[in-house]
Amino acid sequence: DGGITQSPKYLFRKEGQNVTLSCEQNLNHDAMYWYRQDPGQGLRLIYYSQIVNDFQKGDIAEGYSVSREKKESFPLTVTSAQKNPTAFYLCASRGHIYNEQFFGPGTRLTVL
Amino acid sequence: KQEVTQIPAALSVPEGENLVLNCSFTDSAIYNLQWFRQDPGKGLTSLLLIQSSQREQTSGRLNASLDKSSGRSTLYIAASQPGDSATYLCAVREGTNAGKSTFGDGTTLTVKP
Repeated sequence: DGGITQSPKYLFRKEGQNVTLSCEQNLNHDAMYWYRQDPGQGLRLIYYSQIVNDFQKGDIAEGYSVSREKKESFPLTVTSAQKNPTAFYLCASRGHIYNEQFFGPGTRLTVL
Repeated sequence: KQEVTQIPAALSVPEGENLVLNCSFTDSAIYNLQWFRQDPGKGLTSLLLIQSSQREQTSGRLNASLDKSSGRSTLYIAASQPGDSATYLCAVREGTNAGKSTFGDGTTLTVKP
């Protein structure tokens, strides 16, 4: 089955810790995205990558970091510099033909 | 900067009713517009994608229209069912190669049996 997987589904972080969220796709898509969703709100773009070894900041990149060493993988690190990290994090990729976005199931991060 | 607005924020209808969800955007220079469905605690499921050159797309009981000049899109749901209850989001992809999309805050639909 082709698709996007995210792990873990739930993640708990203590104050001052860095945590890494995993995103893997087997759709052979070049472009990948990380979004943050807060309750009752739409999605806000954190980082995106249009090709391996290249990525750009989105609207709310402060306190986050990413890497894109492989086409299939786009991990997101939430650093201790992110002051309010509790949220639902969604990873997406974009197809080549119709430029349609596809989403993973999400990771819910809670700071203890 | 592109801004996307969805009104109303919440909608409750009886089963069987036809309904329209609205999405408006401020910059008409878009690449495409995509409608999604999100169930509580889940990721987004793509419903319909309209390219900037198209006026509408249909899938089953769903029909999405696009009017770029007025900055509006509508999602029409025919003969609503309780299973249609979810949050519906629209996303506008900007008309450059940057590939960024701006999302509305969504409309939460409840269909009562």
